[in-house]
Amino acid sequence: GQQLNQSPQSMFIQEGEDVSMNCTSSSIFNTWLWYKQDPGEGPVLLIALYKAGELTSNGRLTAQFGITRKDSFLNISASIPSDVGIYFCAGQLRGDTDKLIFGTGTRLQVFP
Amino acid sequence: DGGITQSPKYLFRKEGQNVTLSCEQNLNHDAMYWYRQDPGQGLRLIYYSQIVNDFQKGDIAEGYSVSREKKESFPLTVTSAQKNPTAFYLCASSIQGGTQYFGPGTRLTVL
Repeated sequence: GQQLNQSPQSMFIQEGEDVSMNCTSSSIFNTWLWYKQDPGEGPVLLIALYKAGELTSNGRLTAQFGITRKDSFLNISASIPSDVGIYFCAGQLRGDTDKLIFGTGTRLQVFP
Repeated sequence: DGGITQSPKYLFRKEGQNVTLSCEQNLNHDAMYWYRQDPGQGLRLIYYSQIVNDFQKGDIAEGYSVSREKKESFPLTVTSAQKNPTAFYLCASSIQGGTQYFGPGTRLTVL
């Protein structure tokens, strides 16, 4: 099955730093989603993007839907210890209304 | 409270046995999904159902079976034909074409 290219695979940062991660695909998506997963739990939706070029914020999180519809990024500003976890992007293919394709995840570690 | 529940949280099975994982939702969502997650990897789709009494194979359906007799329930059976069943299993639901929301997951370990 197809998976998105998500980078970086892992990040080790100090509390207060900003973080950026992105996903790219060879396929065009009509929706991009960003989830966060804590160890042993299910992913929780952070941000949903529905239009090319859309820039959406949720508190300290900002995500953008790329103009080409083939990429998206997520920024976290002023990181805090509870930001620790795995972040996944997911794309919904055009013409395939329900199926999601997931990235391989970015593991974020925040040090005080 | 509305949400998606999965049970049990941890499941141990002997090799060669079938086992069924439960997924229930009270969100009135039409669509439900099962994913498998292995360490260091993203989620891979096993089966999905867009409506009661109908379901489709995902990318890795071999060795798994599902049923959708009720809107609220979408149980997954891991059969003895699944070669490497140890994994974290996640259930999700959505309205048609909508954002998927996930349950807390079931960790299956084959002894």
